[in-house]
Amino acid sequence: DQQVKQNSPSLSVQEGRISILNCDYTNSMFDYFLWYKKYPAEGPTFLISISSIKDKNEDGRFTVFLNKSAKHLSLHIVPSQPGDSAVYFCAASWRNNDMRFGAGTRLTVKP
Amino acid sequence: DAGVTQSPTHLIKTRGQQVTLRCSPKSGHDTVSWYQQALGQGPQFIFQYYEEEERQRGNFPDRFSGHQFPNYSSELNVNALLLGDSALYLCASSVGSGANVLTFGAGSRLTVL
Repeated sequence: DQQVKQNSPSLSVQEGRISILNCDYTNSMFDYFLWYKKYPAEGPTFLISISSIKDKNEDGRFTVFLNKSAKHLSLHIVPSQPGDSAVYFCAASWRNNDMRFGAGTRLTVKP
Repeated sequence: DAGVTQSPTHLIKTRGQQVTLRCSPKSGHDTVSWYQQALGQGPQFIFQYYEEEERQRGNFPDRFSGHQFPNYSSELNVNALLLGDSALYLCASSVGSGANVLTFGAGSRLTVL
């Protein structure tokens, strides 16, 4: 039962360009969405989140967009930096129940 | 300020054995959640402990059990290990059982032979 899907296992972008990571979900009850970043040998770290009552949330170089009708969210990183190279997980929850994670997208930012 | 610490970092067991993994939450956090991350997949929720009780549970068999101590630290126990239990086990802590933002540890990698 995979309620959160990240269909792109990897993404490669040039330094300075925009990185767009996508995530789709199937459960319309989800009301809170998050992005986590994971470096090798470390646990996932929280990056940015968005509530279902919003369609955009911005934090510095990172912006998350939510399209509820399409059950789709995306993470934009502008400009991308080599230090952004990591695995990015999309996660969703509802009524503070257990959080569901996607399989992750490995982002590589080339200098 | 120490974050979430987990032990051991790596361990190898054989089928049928039992394993105990340990987690100390971030200072100030009182809730611990456990996740299993198989290779190439995202973390899957096992259960959450708050006030020394299991508050929520994911779709995992009873072979998976846990405990939370008065100091908020937690243990994950897995009995009768199967080959499919090989995974990275992540502990995450938060403030309150309804928190959305989790702080993860680096995980314990379990290999079952």
